[in-house]
Amino acid sequence: NAGVTQTPKFRVLKTGQSMTLLCAQDMNHEYMYWYRQDPGMGLRLIHYSVGEGTTAKGEVPDGYNVSRLKKQNFLLGLESAAPSQTSVYFCASSYSTGLGIGEQFFGPGTRLTVL
Amino acid sequence: GQQVMQIPQYQHVQEGEDFTTYCNSSTTLSNIQWYKQRPGGHPVFLIQLVKSGEVKKQKRLTFQFGEAKKNSSLHITATQTTDVGTYFCAGLRGSYIPTFGRGTSLIVHP
Repeated sequence: NAGVTQTPKFRVLKTGQSMTLLCAQDMNHEYMYWYRQDPGMGLRLIHYSVGEGTTAKGEVPDGYNVSRLKKQNFLLGLESAAPSQTSVYFCASSYSTGLGIGEQFFGPGTRLTVL
Repeated sequence: GQQVMQIPQYQHVQEGEDFTTYCNSSTTLSNIQWYKQRPGGHPVFLIQLVKSGEVKKQKRLTFQFGEAKKNSSLHITATQTTDVGTYFCAGLRGSYIPTFGRGTSLIVHP
């Protein structure tokens, strides 16, 4: 099992450009998450999904869109990149325990720089 | 909204000393998770605490969940250089939306 994979690993964009980050998991997990990590800020939730075809906003959703057309994939889109979106992006997936979710499995991350 | 405060932000220790990081939530949590992130890596799950007053141990690591389910701590006994990294707590409010603390970076001096 590959677990959670993310593509690309690195990307440099110019202000105003668009891109899509892809997250894939092979564990049949219902829940998927996109986080951004900035120095000293921990992990902040951008968007999440509780199942195929559903998405919802997290703590910092502005400037991002997501889609989950297939259960195993969760896409994060930046329509018009801004320097403030320079960050490391992590995708994670998890499963229901009946009391909430179990452990989150994280992908290796995408390091994005917006010039 | 819910906040999870984590202190300290950084901790320098000599190898062999103990280390503790604390998380406090503004609201009651249903459970709390702990993760470790090595420099340049991704967060890796350590443990999940569910019950009020729960204490769990993993070798030199001891995890506690407060009686009111609003605070938690991670204690490492006799740190080693392999313990270096950032430790995060993530609180859950009975659902599937985790809120992460800002993390505590542990630096171990040999």
